[in-house]
Amino acid sequence: AQKITQTQPGMFVQEKEAVTLDCTYDTSDQSYGLFWYKQPSSGEMIFLIYQGSYDEQNATEGRYSLNFQKARKSANLVISASQLGDSAMYFCAMGGSAYAGNNRKLIWGLGTSLAVNP
Amino acid sequence: DTEVTQTPKHLVMGMTNKKSLKCEQHMGHRAMYWYKQKAKKPPELMFVYSYEKLSINESVPSRFSPECPNSSLLNLHLHALQPEDSALYLCASSQESGTDTQYFGPGTRLTVL
Repeated sequence: AQKITQTQPGMFVQEKEAVTLDCTYDTSDQSYGLFWYKQPSSGEMIFLIYQGSYDEQNATEGRYSLNFQKARKSANLVISASQLGDSAMYFCAMGGSAYAGNNRKLIWGLGTSLAVNP
Repeated sequence: DTEVTQTPKHLVMGMTNKKSLKCEQHMGHRAMYWYKQKAKKPPELMFVYSYEKLSINESVPSRFSPECPNSSLLNLHLHALQPEDSALYLCASSQESGTDTQYFGPGTRLTVL
């Protein structure tokens, strides 16, 4: 069965420091995608970064990078130079195989609440 | 700026009311989704439309009725809801592939009295 595990319910980081949010996954599919979303207290679910299972390089988007270790089945999110606006809930999610027919159901982790201290 | 819009932002309704949530996307996506999210939990998938046809219904109670009038619009009709249906309702859209990114709207916060 597919599963996403986020083991850090809450994290604190000082402004301007880097922080790593952990995500491990379990799947028997060879083709899959891993996503990170940010959800501030306003409620909007904001897409941050995507890593495909066949991508050889780690994904990066501005201050966000994804540390993808396929053998360990981990997809950790690294936020560099944290800002106060980074305080939010962060969800890791896995998309179904591109070859699994009509499967668009994302498997979600329970999330990590990040607080950035000034 | 999000290209998925949702209205209204907030909705309070009684258990006997009928109301509708509206979602619109301007990205040319052909898959659209409704999610329900309780506080401090991940979103739960309710419905998926693909090319304007319902492709996934996650055993949602019939008091929730989705509608996809065209490829850009998605509605969720609400009738005889229960207080436990109070939640954040999120709409999302994506291209046509199992691993394509889902882009979300800002959500509608629903309170059922």
